[in-house]
Amino acid sequence: SQKIEQNSEALNIQEGKTATLTCNYTNYSPAYLQWYRQDPGRGPVFLLLIRENEKEKRKERLKVTFDTTLKQSLFHITASQPADSATYLCALDTIYGQNFVFGPGTRLSVLP
Amino acid sequence: DGGITQSPKYLFRKEGQNVTLSCEQNLNHDAMYWYRQDPGQGLRLIYYSQIVNDFQKGDIAEGYSVSREKKESFPLTVTSAQKNPTAFYLCASSIQDSINQPQHFGDGTRLSIL
Repeated sequence: SQKIEQNSEALNIQEGKTATLTCNYTNYSPAYLQWYRQDPGRGPVFLLLIRENEKEKRKERLKVTFDTTLKQSLFHITASQPADSATYLCALDTIYGQNFVFGPGTRLSVLP
Repeated sequence: DGGITQSPKYLFRKEGQNVTLSCEQNLNHDAMYWYRQDPGQGLRLIYYSQIVNDFQKGDIAEGYSVSREKKESFPLTVTSAQKNPTAFYLCASSIQDSINQPQHFGDGTRLSIL
């Protein structure tokens, strides 16, 4: 069956460290993968998009990798700050009648 | 300032009642979407529209209906046929219904049953 999983429901890290979030998928062949940030009671906000032929994408302190062999994307936040605390969602495209399918999200807490 | 406005922020439904959630965008986007978010689950697509006067069912369309009479508006009706409507509902739009376009989201409507 098709599945999209994010490494853990919650992740706690110390301020200044690098946070690494994982998105794994099964029985999809996405051409694109996106990452969003969602704060409590708010809608998701788009962060980054990576294509299947791109290994890595960067934006300021954010870095995304996409490994179609491992069927995995990693999302890194370097020099993390308490303001980075939020839920992070991955989303990938699918040919099965949907535009996107979203993972359940990982709730990141950056501790001062 | 361009964006997506969802209203109301909180909504309560009585048994047997239909309720309508509003979604308006001033981004001039062609495509609009409705998602449902439940705790611990990803967003699930209810309906989407690529153009005015046209819309398609998503994965969980049963018990819901939509209309797209204007480009900027995409209201969602939760009918009495939807037996478990308590959830956080999110509306989104994108420049076009293309998988390489980011989606812009509103801040949601939280629906509860009285």
